[in-house]
Amino acid sequence: EAAVTQSPRSKVAVTGGKVTLSCHQTNNHDYMYWYRQDTGHGLRLIHYSYVADSTEKGDIPDGYKASRPSQENFSLILELASLSQTAVYFCASSDRDWGVYEQYFGPGTRLTVL
Amino acid sequence: QQKVQQSPESLIVPEGGMASLNCTSSDRNVDYFWWYRQHSGKSPKMLMSIFSNGEKEEGRFTVHLNKASLHTSLHIRDSQPSDSALYLCAAPANSGTYQRFGTGTKLQVVP
Repeated sequence: EAAVTQSPRSKVAVTGGKVTLSCHQTNNHDYMYWYRQDTGHGLRLIHYSYVADSTEKGDIPDGYKASRPSQENFSLILELASLSQTAVYFCASSDRDWGVYEQYFGPGTRLTVL
Repeated sequence: QQKVQQSPESLIVPEGGMASLNCTSSDRNVDYFWWYRQHSGKSPKMLMSIFSNGEKEEGRFTVHLNKASLHTSLHIRDSQPSDSALYLCAAPANSGTYQRFGTGTKLQVVP
């Protein structure tokens, strides 16, 4: 089965600090995504990437940056963490086959900003 | 911006009963959907996808799609306590580049 791992699994950060969340996939997938999940908001897309060294904005990119240094790795960066960024963050990958287009999610990172 | 709306927000059904969940898209160009299931504390996993009008059945799960009304529904028959989870509907967004999710329906199956 497709494998997506995330680190750290949980993190406590201070307001104004820098946070980096990492994601690694061994699926050989081209597409990778970062979502946040808050109660009552389902999953909201922050950034995505379909090729190494390139990232695209999703629906809620403000306050976040992304980096895709290789096909396997995708990072989410909070340069100045804020209280409103407390959430669970999921990374996902999918292949290019539009007919399949299943996303495989990592286990999530619980971020608490104090 | 396209909205994906799910109803009801929460649902309680007795064990062995039928659960029916609904999802619509505000984008008239949308003509296929995905359904994901997320157990508490876990990550979402795709349950079913539907790309053509009509019905698709996999075991106890049936998905309907009505492209004219941009509406999909998920029906779970003979519901089990293990079906208790958050069910998320997704529709294609940004010309199909990614999926946009609804806020989910929280299903609780009680013995």
